[in-house]
Amino acid sequence: GAGVSQSPSNKVTEKGKDVELRCDPISGHTALYWYRQSLGQGLEFLIYFQGNSAPDKSGLPSDRFSAERTGGSVSTLTIQRTQQEDSAVYLCASSPWAAGVVGDTQYFGPGTRLTVL
Amino acid sequence: DAKTTQPPSMDCAEGRAANLPCNHSTISGNEYVYWYRQIHSQGPQYIIHGLKNNETNEMASLIITEDRKSSTLILPHATLRDTAVYYCIVRVAKNTDKLIFGTGTRLQVFP
Repeated sequence: GAGVSQSPSNKVTEKGKDVELRCDPISGHTALYWYRQSLGQGLEFLIYFQGNSAPDKSGLPSDRFSAERTGGSVSTLTIQRTQQEDSAVYLCASSPWAAGVVGDTQYFGPGTRLTVL
Repeated sequence: DAKTTQPPSMDCAEGRAANLPCNHSTISGNEYVYWYRQIHSQGPQYIIHGLKNNETNEMASLIITEDRKSSTLILPHATLRDTAVYYCIVRVAKNTDKLIFGTGTRLQVFP
């Protein structure tokens, strides 16, 4: 079946502009995660959704970052007033979860490479 | 989650077994060992996980020491396509919590 998809695959923007990154999780997966990977850095967690709610937003680096998820499916990560340090690959992952069922393997998308000039 | 320690890089000849070590000396009783890998320009890919028994799947084998303080991921017949960064992660299973990635081991498979 289809895996996690992300769009756009590449985004170049100017400093100060807003950007939206989209994630389509695997159908039926209720858990969704955003991570980012800066050049030469490891993967860092940003936010986690269970359904449409976000019980863990602890990784969002500033209030310029926000995310939402609608219909328990597609998620959008928005970065306002982008800065050069926001340049990174933004990765989305999804995981199946249902009460009483183990579903902890996370499946990652290909990522969106964001470049802020 | 417990911290893990991995060598920064390893080489392996194509067709030979690649043995990637991981130390997790502070692992708790309810924490599993997970392995993911990230091939260049791709998202991480789940490989295998285990608690205390050795595990094997179509991708790899996982050997966990009896005291659970270390483990080894084994790729039995490495190919060029196995060149990637391999991450060892310790976390509670049956949990939708975030993954905490360390710096991993960069495995280079050469012809």
